[in-house]
Amino acid sequence: DQQVKQNSPSLSVQEGRISILNCDYTNSMFDYFLWYKKYPAEGPTFLISISSIKDKNEDGRFTVFLNKSAKHLSLHIVPSQPGDSAVYFCAASAQYSGTSYGKLTFGQGTILTVHP
Amino acid sequence: KAGVTQTPRYLIKTRGQQVTLSCSPISGHRSVSWYQQTPGQGLQFLFEYFSETQRNKGNFPGRFSGRQFSNSRSEMNVSTLELGDSALYLCASAGGLAANEQFFGPGTRLTVL
Repeated sequence: DQQVKQNSPSLSVQEGRISILNCDYTNSMFDYFLWYKKYPAEGPTFLISISSIKDKNEDGRFTVFLNKSAKHLSLHIVPSQPGDSAVYFCAASAQYSGTSYGKLTFGQGTILTVHP
Repeated sequence: KAGVTQTPRYLIKTRGQQVTLSCSPISGHRSVSWYQQTPGQGLQFLFEYFSETQRNKGNFPGRFSGRQFSNSRSEMNVSTLELGDSALYLCASAGGLAANEQFFGPGTRLTVL
């Protein structure tokens, strides 16, 4: 049972344009969502996160949108740069409890390629 | 602040052996989680330690175990290695102001022959 899904295995975008990466989840208990960027043989690098009490969060070129009713989130990168080429993972977790930060459930990842 | 460090970075073992991986979290972080990444299964949660106690456990056999020390450093042990244990093992620490954000180390690449 895959609770977090990234249905697009890959995305190709021209430099300067917008990249939109999508993620769907099924577990209603998830209330915190994160995006990570990953290069092969390295650990994921945290990009941006959003709590379920918000529907949008921005950080520089990165914006994450959350649609709770549709159980869908997306990451927008504007403008896209060749250095953004990597695998992007969305992840979901339940609320920090005070004695546990909870487990992250990851999607399968989307390979983003930004062409110069 | 130094990031999450993991040692060793690469490891080659044979079936039946055991292995211990080490993780040092970001200073001040009290939570350490372990994840396994394989091409077929993606990134999967192994377990979380917080203040030296296991708080969460993923769906892995008992051959996978861990512990956390009083300085928050953590070790993960895999006994009786199988070929399918070949993977990138990632450690993540949490405990900053943004409570749910987990920061990953570079990983240990384990190859089982």
